[in-house]
Amino acid sequence: NAGVTQTPKFRILKIGQSMTLQCTQDMNHNYMYWYRQDPGMGLKLIYYSVGAGITDKGEVPNGYNVSRSTTEDFPLRLELAAPSQTSVYFCASSHGVGSSNEKLFFGSGTQLSVL
Amino acid sequence: KNQVEQSPQSLIILEGKNCTLQCNYTVSPFSNLRWYKQDTGRGPVSLTIMTFSENTKSNGRYTATLDADTKQSSLHITASQLSDSASYICVVSADHNLFFGTGTRLTVIP
Repeated sequence: NAGVTQTPKFRILKIGQSMTLQCTQDMNHNYMYWYRQDPGMGLKLIYYSVGAGITDKGEVPNGYNVSRSTTEDFPLRLELAAPSQTSVYFCASSHGVGSSNEKLFFGSGTQLSVL
Repeated sequence: KNQVEQSPQSLIILEGKNCTLQCNYTVSPFSNLRWYKQDTGRGPVSLTIMTFSENTKSNGRYTATLDADTKQSSLHITASQLSDSASYICVVSADHNLFFGTGTRLTVIP
């Protein structure tokens, strides 16, 4: 199993550009998540999905969009990149919800800089 | 306010020594507490998950403790190795939400 795979690993965007961060998992997990990690801060939840066709906002959703057309894929879209979106983005998946004792599996991250 | 605070912010120890990392939380209602290890440039990897009724859980040289009454947890690393150099993140679950601490950056030197 590859686990959770994120692409690209690094990206530099100009202000106003758009891009999609890709995330795929091969563990047949229903739950998938997008987090951002800023220096000196804990991970913040951007969006999550409890299954194909179902997505919901997390703590910091502004400026982002997601879709979940299949169980495996959960792409994150930035429409109009802003410097405040400079961060490291992590995709994660789990079999169960956070209140269960299911492990959360993380991808290796995408380092995004908006200049 | 739901918060997870970790201390120290950073720690340097000699290879072979033991160390203990602390986590205090004010998250409610409590579901479980997790410790993750995050190597530089990588995603976090789960070390332990503890429920309300568990007060100790081990994973090799890593031992986590939980005191649900005082809302404190610790992660003890025994006989540290160079590969233990990483950030250690405490995460508390409440209902369907996960609250992340900012992590302790551990550096093990030879």
